[in-house]
Amino acid sequence: NAGVTQTPKFQVLKTGQSMTLQCAQDMNHEYMSWYRQDPGMGLRLIHYSVGAGITDQGEVPNGYNVSRSTTEDFPLRLLSAAPSQTSVYFCASSTRAGGTEAFFGQGTRLTVV
Amino acid sequence: GESVGLHLPTLSVQEGDNSIINCAYSNSASDYFIWYKQESGKGPQFIIDIRSNMDKRQGQRVTVLLNKTVKHLSLQIAATQPGDSAVYFCAENSGYSTLTFGKGTMLLVSP
Repeated sequence: NAGVTQTPKFQVLKTGQSMTLQCAQDMNHEYMSWYRQDPGMGLRLIHYSVGAGITDQGEVPNGYNVSRSTTEDFPLRLLSAAPSQTSVYFCASSTRAGGTEAFFGQGTRLTVV
Repeated sequence: GESVGLHLPTLSVQEGDNSIINCAYSNSASDYFIWYKQESGKGPQFIIDIRSNMDKRQGQRVTVLLNKTVKHLSLQIAATQPGDSAVYFCAENSGYSTLTFGKGTMLLVSP
């Protein structure tokens, strides 16, 4: 049982490049979310989805897009990378609204130079 | 090293002691409050949650206390072990699987 799988684990981008962070879960969870974590701070919500075909913005959505074409996958797209997007990104999934027992992936460490 | 720990409040305890980690929350309308543990290089891991209509909930070696009057949440870890060393985050449920996290507390357990 893989749980929540994020790829890649590490990535370096140049300013202006675009890329997609992948997230897949095999637990048939309806709810999925993307967070970013910066030094000395908690996690901040970027985007979330309550089911296939439904997405919404979180606290810090600017510069990111998401889509949810299947229950399993929830990719996060950086449209034009900026140094301010250097962070560790976590994907999470859960079975119910509120997501108290959210399962997190191992994270993607992104550096934008 | 793990950059998530920079500038975090730190609690240092001896192995076998009881640990108490505190958190202030902001949204009195939250339904659930949750504690997560994050070890270096890993994603947060669910520890325990408490519903807003409860004051106390116990798990294995952990107890969460909720004081809604002063918007305060605490996590008590009994007989702390070196494996408990991690960053601990409180979070509140903001609805639809979205969580609002606190900034975290680093727990260091020395043998």
